[in-house]
Amino acid sequence: EADIYQTPRYLVIGTGKKITLECSQTMGHDKMYWYQQDPGMELHLIHYSYGVNSTEKGDLSSESTVSRIRTEHFPLTLESARPSHTSQYLCASSETSVNTEAFFGQGTRLTVV
Amino acid sequence: AQKITQTQPGMFVQEKEAVTLDCTYDTSDPSYGLFWYKQPSSGEMIFLIYQGSYDQQNATEGRYSLNFQKARKSANLVISASQLGDSAMYFCAMREPFNTGGFKTIFGAGTRLFVKA
Repeated sequence: EADIYQTPRYLVIGTGKKITLECSQTMGHDKMYWYQQDPGMELHLIHYSYGVNSTEKGDLSSESTVSRIRTEHFPLTLESARPSHTSQYLCASSETSVNTEAFFGQGTRLTVV
Repeated sequence: AQKITQTQPGMFVQEKEAVTLDCTYDTSDPSYGLFWYKQPSSGEMIFLIYQGSYDQQNATEGRYSLNFQKARKSANLVISASQLGDSAMYFCAMREPFNTGGFKTIFGAGTRLFVKA
C-alpha cells in the first residue's frame, strides 16, 4: 500500500474562497505531481516538483499554485475558487527513474458552488 | 499531439472471459516506461503493470499481462478470467522525460470496463 495521503477527500466550498489541498508522502520521493481529472476523463498534469524549492507548471494551465518546502509535503492552493475549478485533484509521487510507477493519493473531489 | 491513445471509451466483457484493452503510444525517446492503472469508482489510481522499452519479454502480473509490440508502438492490457471487481476505468500511461529534468507520467483518455455476471 502506497504511503501518500491527500486531505480532504471531499470539499464543497463557495466561490471566492481560498483553499489548500494537502498532499504528503512518507516514501522519501523527490518527484511529486498534481493531476486534475474531470469525472470519467483523462488525467492532466498541472504541477510538478523535482525536489525541495523546485516546482514547474504542467501540461494543463491551472490557476492553482504549489509549494515544496519539505520533501514530504506538496500542497496545492487556489486563492479564489470558482465553479470552473470543480474537479478531482490527484497527488502522486515517484522515484527518479523512467521505469518506476507513480504512487497516487486517494484524491480530493472539489466542488465549488 | 496525442501521445497515448486509447480508442475504446467503453468495453463489456462476460465474467470469467478474457478482455484486451488497447493502447498505442508515440515517443521518439529510446528509453521509456509504459504502465497501466486501474481507477475504481472510488477514484484512487491503482498501479497494475509495467513494461520497459528495453524489456524483451511481455510483462505479467497475476491475471494481467501486457502485449507489448514495440515496432507498432502498442501496449495492450490483457485481463484474463475477468471478475466483477474488474469493472473500472483503465488508463494506459507512459513515463517520458520532463523538459527540466526527471520524468513525468502522461495518461491516455481511459477505457471504462464493464464486467457482466
